[in-house]
Amino acid sequence: QKEVEQDPGPLSVPEGAIVSLNCTYSNSAFQYFMWYRQYSRKGPELLMYTYSSGNKEDGRFTAQVDKSSKYISLFIRDSQPSDSATYLCAMSAPANNLFFGTGTRLTVIP
Amino acid sequence: GAVVSQHPSWVICKSGTSVKIECRSLDFQATTMFWYRQFPKQSLMLMATSNEGSKATYEQGVEKDKFLINHASLTLSTLTVTSAHPEDSSFYICSARKLEGAYNEQFFGPGTRLTVL
Repeated sequence: QKEVEQDPGPLSVPEGAIVSLNCTYSNSAFQYFMWYRQYSRKGPELLMYTYSSGNKEDGRFTAQVDKSSKYISLFIRDSQPSDSATYLCAMSAPANNLFFGTGTRLTVIP
Repeated sequence: GAVVSQHPSWVICKSGTSVKIECRSLDFQATTMFWYRQFPKQSLMLMATSNEGSKATYEQGVEKDKFLINHASLTLSTLTVTSAHPEDSSFYICSARKLEGAYNEQFFGPGTRLTVL
């Protein structure tokens, strides 16, 4: 079993839709949870960073962590064509390296 | 803040030659830098972790004599692909962890696309 599971998609939505991206994990020691956005042929860009459980909101983006279910989500409201990218979840335990999901490729159609 | 640069952004080389890739943290000091490779439509695979002034720690299956890593300062790490072969063609991405920041927060460079002919 992989440490982090993420549906690779692809996911296509119309402009303005709410997007839900998810990852599950198996290691209960994970405490740091991140979402990265990666445009084609570019390095990943940190979008959201969360420690332990709970919600975090930043503009149109909301990250949720449910440690009891080992499940994290990223919601994008009012999606825009510029949101079209691959979204990678990442997580780690204290004093440990990051474990990445495979990434979900999102296309927002104008 | 938290900008990481890589140079070159792309490189094409002949089989058997060596290629050096630089990773710099431009506006912060990084105790630790990481090197990843990414194949098309796949996730990032950690190759090695480098700490300033000490030897890099390589992940299982990564040849340390082929992928030489040097972390000479708190703002610069280099990856040298020695005797490159076509199967080494990939997207190489570095990241840096801030000296004073949240322990596991990494900032990524823009990546270097290596093509070996």
